[in-house]
Amino acid sequence: EVQLVESGGGFVKPGGSLRLSCAASGFNFKDAWMCWVRQAPGKGLEWVGRIKSKPSGGTTDYAAPVKGRFTISRDDSKNTLYLQMNSLKAEDTALYYCTWDSSGFYRFNLWGQGTQVTATS
Amino acid sequence: QSALTQPASVSGSPGQSIAISCTGTNSDVGGYKYVSWYQQHPGKAPKLMIYDVTSRPSGISDRFSGSKSGNTASLTISGLQAEDEADYYCASYTSSSTLVFGGGTKLTVL
Repeated sequence: EVQLVESGGGFVKPGGSLRLSCAASGFNFKDAWMCWVRQAPGKGLEWVGRIKSKPSGGTTDYAAPVKGRFTISRDDSKNTLYLQMNSLKAEDTALYYCTWDSSGFYRFNLWGQGTQVTATS
Repeated sequence: QSALTQPASVSGSPGQSIAISCTGTNSDVGGYKYVSWYQQHPGKAPKLMIYDVTSRPSGISDRFSGSKSGNTASLTISGLQAEDEADYYCASYTSSSTLVFGGGTKLTVL
């Protein structure tokens, strides 16, 4: 089955860190460009960042609000995508989705179910 | 990068057609053919409805169509059905190689 399954969410104090994981199955992960998208409670969708496949350079791009604090990485041997979140702020509280960019121009045919991150003191 | 502008809400009766607009700039919507639309029902992950301005993924009803003129893209839903009631988001590739979403539009089927 083609699917993405996120994990690692939870409660964290502002200033703290958390690492999210996204396990991929059913497609060629090592050639896939992958993204993280988040949604704050009752709010809209917000693109967080992207990592290209290693054959395409493996480079990353980030949204301005998270640049310098969040890092996207991948382990192709485990078909797993990661989001390392440091210096968390209350405004990072959101449901974090893992997505597959099937075109290189942000065509998200496949989404995970999301994992909730809550930054609160 | 500012969010794309969408109306907060639209409504229509079953069988009618509605359109949702999505306005950006020359650096996103107006500059590329990479505009997509997502449908999100409460408590569910978003679902791709339109990509590359006008294309539909397999399995998506032809009642959904997309278009673009200048810096504004539009999603049209014809023959409204009760199950179309959801939030809709546009998204566009940008000149910085990033992605920007619209603020979202709540569609109510009366």
